[in-house]
Amino acid sequence: LAKTTQPISMDSYEGQEVNITCSHNNIATNDYITWYQQFPSQGPRFIIQGYKTKVTNEVASLFIPADRKSSTLSLPRVSLSDTAVYYCLVGERYNFNKFYFGSGTKLNVKP
Amino acid sequence: GAVVSQHPSRVICKSGTSVKIECRSLDFQATTMFWYRQFPKKSLMLMATSNEGSKATYEQGVEKDKFLINHASLTLSTLTVTSAHPEDSSFYICSASRETGPGQETQYFGPGTRLLVL
Repeated sequence: LAKTTQPISMDSYEGQEVNITCSHNNIATNDYITWYQQFPSQGPRFIIQGYKTKVTNEVASLFIPADRKSSTLSLPRVSLSDTAVYYCLVGERYNFNKFYFGSGTKLNVKP
Repeated sequence: GAVVSQHPSRVICKSGTSVKIECRSLDFQATTMFWYRQFPKKSLMLMATSNEGSKATYEQGVEKDKFLINHASLTLSTLTVTSAHPEDSSFYICSASRETGPGQETQYFGPGTRLLVL
């Protein structure tokens, strides 16, 4: 059973900042939050991972509030090539960090 | 770093034959490996968790005799689909877990294997 809830789809335009929010109300104390990007017929690609507050890397930022019951992936200035499905996942730290995938968010970037 | 490969990328086989899919972590030793399957336009479904030197743990509803998993080393896990049938046709994806910080692990996914059973 997926531990996260995300919007099914989102639309954006090239050059805009996109924020995708994920709910994980039952996150456990030691669980990390990880986001992946998947293109059709490819394996998911790691984007970013965090535990609390804010994490930033060369492609995205991850915002996690103090209660950790949600998180927001921020993609700056998206391009057409960012059209993909984005998954928010919480690993079961006590159980080999297993992932149970939800439906993900299909991001459609328009010109 | 953190590259996971799968072989083959695509395979077509006749009904009743067995197919082996390899998953390798190329530049790190994986603490745990996982196998997923994905149907068109659907999300990934976890099939099993694999640890080196021990029996795989299968998710509910996944037949362990149908999907044989062998985890021979810290960098290699194999999935064998035995007596494959058309309903086994799917996209199979593996992942390998790597320690990326104190108490922190990250899963890295392979590119996937497309299986078509005729």
